[in-house]
Amino acid sequence: NAGVTQTPKFQVLKTGQSMTLQCAQDMNHNSMYWYRQDPGMGLRLIYYSASEGTTDKGEVPNGYNVSRLNKREFSLRLESAAPSQTSVYFCASSGTYPYEQYFGPGTRLTVT
Amino acid sequence: KQEVTQIPAALSVPEGENLVLNCSFTDSAIYNLQWFRQDPGKGLTSLLLIQSSQREQTSGRLNASLDKSSGRSTLYIAASQPGDSATYLCAVRGTSGTYKYIFGTGTRLKVLA
Repeated sequence: NAGVTQTPKFQVLKTGQSMTLQCAQDMNHNSMYWYRQDPGMGLRLIYYSASEGTTDKGEVPNGYNVSRLNKREFSLRLESAAPSQTSVYFCASSGTYPYEQYFGPGTRLTVT
Repeated sequence: KQEVTQIPAALSVPEGENLVLNCSFTDSAIYNLQWFRQDPGKGLTSLLLIQSSQREQTSGRLNASLDKSSGRSTLYIAASQPGDSATYLCAVRGTSGTYKYIFGTGTRLKVLA
């Protein structure tokens, strides 16, 4: 089992460009999450999907969109990247009770 | 609103020492609390998960305790080793019907050989 995979690992964008971060899990988990991690701020939830076909905003959703493509895949899209979106992005998933979370390796994004 | 605090932000100890990392949360209505380890430039690895009905969980040299009434959890690391050097984060999931975890900002641990 690969667990949670993310692509790409690194990305550099210019302000205004768009891109999609991909995430997939092979653990048959219902819930999936996107976080960003910034120095001194900890991990903050951007969006989550409690189950296939549903998505909800987290703490910092502005500037992002998500798609739960199927049970395995949950993508995060930046429509018009801004320097404030420079961060490390993590995808996670969790199954049934007790809802233990498993994380992917992260995508390091720089917006210039 | 749930807030999670981890103090200290950084800690250096000599090899072999037993140590305790702290995690405090403001709302005691939680489903569970999870401890993670994060190595530099890497993702988060789950160490231990304590369900709200449990008082502690153990895995090898790690022991995590939970006191919901006081809003505290501790992660005890026995006989620390240089390989334990990493950032340790705790996260709590509330019972409010959402699926959200709230994370602390972590404790950066350095074990000196």
